[in-house]
Amino acid sequence: ELKVEQNPLFLSMQEGKNYTIYCNYSTTSDRLYWYRQDPGKSLESLFVLLSNGAVKQEGRLMASLDTKARLSTLHITAAVHDLSATYFCAVDNSSGNTPLVFGKGTRLSVIA
Amino acid sequence: NAGVTQTPKFQVLKTGQSMTLQCAQDMNHEYMSWYRQDPGMGLRLIHYSVGAGITDQGEVPNGYNVSRSTTEDFPLRLLSAAPSQTSVYFCASSRLAESSYNEQFFGPGTRLTVL
Repeated sequence: ELKVEQNPLFLSMQEGKNYTIYCNYSTTSDRLYWYRQDPGKSLESLFVLLSNGAVKQEGRLMASLDTKARLSTLHITAAVHDLSATYFCAVDNSSGNTPLVFGKGTRLSVIA
Repeated sequence: NAGVTQTPKFQVLKTGQSMTLQCAQDMNHEYMSWYRQDPGMGLRLIHYSVGAGITDQGEVPNGYNVSRSTTEDFPLRLLSAAPSQTSVYFCASSRLAESSYNEQFFGPGTRLTVL
């Protein structure tokens, strides 16, 4: 059974600081997805990582995938208040269109 | 394109009532799914479908029924609502192809309260 664990689950960080959110998963997969959810809103796709070593960047966010370690990271550079949201990672088992399994999410709060 | 649409946005039910949450997509996606989101639980898969006429159970299917008569629509039926079904429900869709990946697009959600 595929399990996905994120840590930390809650993160309060100061503006301008850097931090990393971790996403570990339990079975072999080379497809990992990051989503953002603002309070009371739906999920918005941030990154799709499709192979070992994949790195994607958008603004102050950078995501990477290490399939050998079964680990993805979401790195936040010089945080700003607008990045406050809940971030989810999700994995499928790469054998076709199987359901995504989501982590529990990391609630990020960026404070001045 | 409207993307993935859900109705209603909000609903209050009494215990024992039944209702259908509607989901539609206009992206010609074969794959559709329903999740529920509860505080501290992340998203949990209820049911999913890989095409018209094909559905399967997810992690938490009890108390819910689905059908997929067209590619566009994937309604979720609550048979006899219980307070434990109070949640936010999201519908999502994606392409289905051997070489594709499973980036799902989410609807705006339905916030359901069962009294």
